[in-house]
Amino acid sequence: DSGVTQTPKHLITATGQRVTLRCSPRSGDLSVYWYQQSLDQGLQFLIQYYNGEERAKGNILERFSAQQFPDLHSELNLSSLELGDSALYFCASSDGTSWDEQFFGPGTRLTVL
Amino acid sequence: QQQVKQSPQSLIVQKGGISIINCAYENTAFDYFPWYQQFPGKGPALLIAIRPDVSEKKEGRFTISFNKSAKQFSLHIMDSQPGDSATYFCAASRAGNQFYFGTGTSLTVIP
Repeated sequence: DSGVTQTPKHLITATGQRVTLRCSPRSGDLSVYWYQQSLDQGLQFLIQYYNGEERAKGNILERFSAQQFPDLHSELNLSSLELGDSALYFCASSDGTSWDEQFFGPGTRLTVL
Repeated sequence: QQQVKQSPQSLIVQKGGISIINCAYENTAFDYFPWYQQFPGKGPALLIAIRPDVSEKKEGRFTISFNKSAKQFSLHIMDSQPGDSATYFCAASRAGNQFYFGTGTSLTVIP
């Protein structure tokens, strides 16, 4: 158990809908990363937050947004969902000082029908 | 553009053999190169990592070899065991702010 929690574990929704994925980092970790994992694309970095502020942005679509709250949990919002958004979404956290090691959560499997 | 290229896509090794997975990167600004291990239904977990100021790092049966001039690094798993069967990802980052992952290698160790 990495100490990172993600909810929900599974999510099934329809095209055009909006969903919110939630991540609670390990206790004491200030940095949160979001990743999308699909069969053909591997692990794609989406976005990173550090202590509430956006620090780095990767291949995140404009339909997706994220934020990190004062209690350090983070949410990833996916809107106008398309079939191609079906994937595993991982959250990872690090302490931000020794930023080397990221601890990954168990992931949320999103299925868009 | 794939920032980190990983090969092979899949690998089958006999128990006790050596598993070798290779990665190549483009951006010379990368300064941290981790390897992650992922079991089905789980998130990736850090296995071993290296910085470009050393050419090799060993932890138990796992070794990273790093060739800065060739912009390549590889993972060697010695005495491979069935429990090592998993998907392995290499990655690269700059200042820990953005991680680029390889496409993964599915390793199967046959008893």
